[in-house]
Amino acid sequence: AQSVSQHNHHVILSEAASLELGCNYSYGGTVNLFWYVQYPGQHLQLLLKYFSGDPLVKGIKGFEAEFIKSKFSFNLRKPSVQWSDTAEYFCAVRGLGSYIPTFGRGTSLIVHP
Amino acid sequence: DGGITQSPKYLFRKEGQNVTLSCEQNLNHDAMYWYRQDPGQGLRLIYYSQIVNDFQKGDIAEGYSVSREKKESFPLTVTSAQKNPTAFYLCASTMGGTNYGYTFGSGTRLTVV
Repeated sequence: AQSVSQHNHHVILSEAASLELGCNYSYGGTVNLFWYVQYPGQHLQLLLKYFSGDPLVKGIKGFEAEFIKSKFSFNLRKPSVQWSDTAEYFCAVRGLGSYIPTFGRGTSLIVHP
Repeated sequence: DGGITQSPKYLFRKEGQNVTLSCEQNLNHDAMYWYRQDPGQGLRLIYYSQIVNDFQKGDIAEGYSVSREKKESFPLTVTSAQKNPTAFYLCASTMGGTNYGYTFGSGTRLTVV
C-alpha cells in the first residue's frame, strides 16, 4: 500500500520568505507525484505533477518540486512567497498503473503581508 | 467551460436521515471519485468508479453508498449508518488511464444536527 507523509502541518511565513514543504511517500515501485493547492473557499487545483523525466518540475505561480527517488521525497518549493499563497497544500502519490491517488494530510500555509 | 459541479454547496440534515450529494461532470472523464476532507486528516477516499455501472469501496466506505448509472454523474448517499457524517465532501474525476491528474469539484459541506 502507498502512503504519504507531509511533515509540516502548519507553516507561517512573512512575504518574500522562501518556502519548502516536505513530502515523503512510501511505495515500492514507480510513482506519479502531485501537489495540489486549495485556496480559501476554493476547490483543489493542480500545482504540478511528476510522471517521468526531469526530476525538477516547475508548476504554476512560481512553484517547483524536486523528485528525489533515493529519499522517496517530492518537496515543494517557492523562492519568495506572497500573501496570495495562503492556502492548504496537499501532496499525493499514485503507484504506476493505479487509478487511485493517496493524499497526505495537508499543510496549512499562512503568509503575513 | 468544462468542469465538475457539486451541489448543494452547503447541506444541513437531521441525524438519522439519509442525504444524497450530487456530482456532475462534463469533461467526458471515465473515472470519478468521492473524498471526505476533515481538518488535519487530508483527503480520504470513500468510493471510486472507473466505468459506468461499476464502483469500488475506498478506505472509508462504511455508511456511504454510490451509483454510477451515467458517465457524467456519480451521486453519493450519506446514510444514517455513517457515525460522523459532518464533513466536507469532494468529488473528483480523471480521464481513463493513469497519465492524467485529477479535476476536483468545489465541494459540499454537510452538517448533521
